[in-house]
Amino acid sequence: NAGVTQTPKFQVLKTGQSMTLQCAQDMNHNSMYWYRQDPGMGLRLIYYSASEGTTDKGEVPNGYNVSRLNKREFSLRLESAAPSQTSVYFCASIETGNNQPQHFGDGTRLSIL
Amino acid sequence: QKEVEQNSGPLSVPEGAIASLNCTYSDRVSQSFFWYRQYSGKSPELIMSIYSNGDKEDGRFTAQLNKASQYVSLLIRDSQPSDSATYLCAVNGFTGGGNKLTFGTGTQLKVEL
Repeated sequence: NAGVTQTPKFQVLKTGQSMTLQCAQDMNHNSMYWYRQDPGMGLRLIYYSASEGTTDKGEVPNGYNVSRLNKREFSLRLESAAPSQTSVYFCASIETGNNQPQHFGDGTRLSIL
Repeated sequence: QKEVEQNSGPLSVPEGAIASLNCTYSDRVSQSFFWYRQYSGKSPELIMSIYSNGDKEDGRFTAQLNKASQYVSLLIRDSQPSDSATYLCAVNGFTGGGNKLTFGTGTQLKVEL
């Protein structure tokens, strides 16, 4: 009963490096989300996927790409990391239907030097 | 532009007192409202959801919603030191393209012995 699983939990990158953050959910949820959380800024939506095969931009999509690999998995890619992307990244998923709450993974703490 | 506003705090209350956390939102068509608790270094955890005007009680927690005034609040009775955390208010406006939550920046609650 894992819920939403994110990997890795911690990562340090150099400016210009690329990496992919992985997210998987085992709750058969249709919709999945990627957020970043910075001090004083709250949770900001980067990208989301309403259903398998669809992705849409959120509030802060620049510098990121996503892939909804299948119903379970939704990955976030940084093609050329920048120090401004240092943040805590959360993946979330939501049950089918209106007005459902989101369930969050444990987060990935990413530092870019 | 949807906005959700919260006082950042910290809100300090003595152990055993009632903590009152408030949230206002700008989008009148918002349909559902959630309170998440986030301990330092952890992911957000859903503690309350409310969809219609009035009060909803769950143990020591009571959520209150007033759609006409566009505010939602969370009362924590008999506050305990373990309640010390940041409380995030989230508002859902179903867009047809997926359930998207807009989060406030959170209110830090400190329960003092």
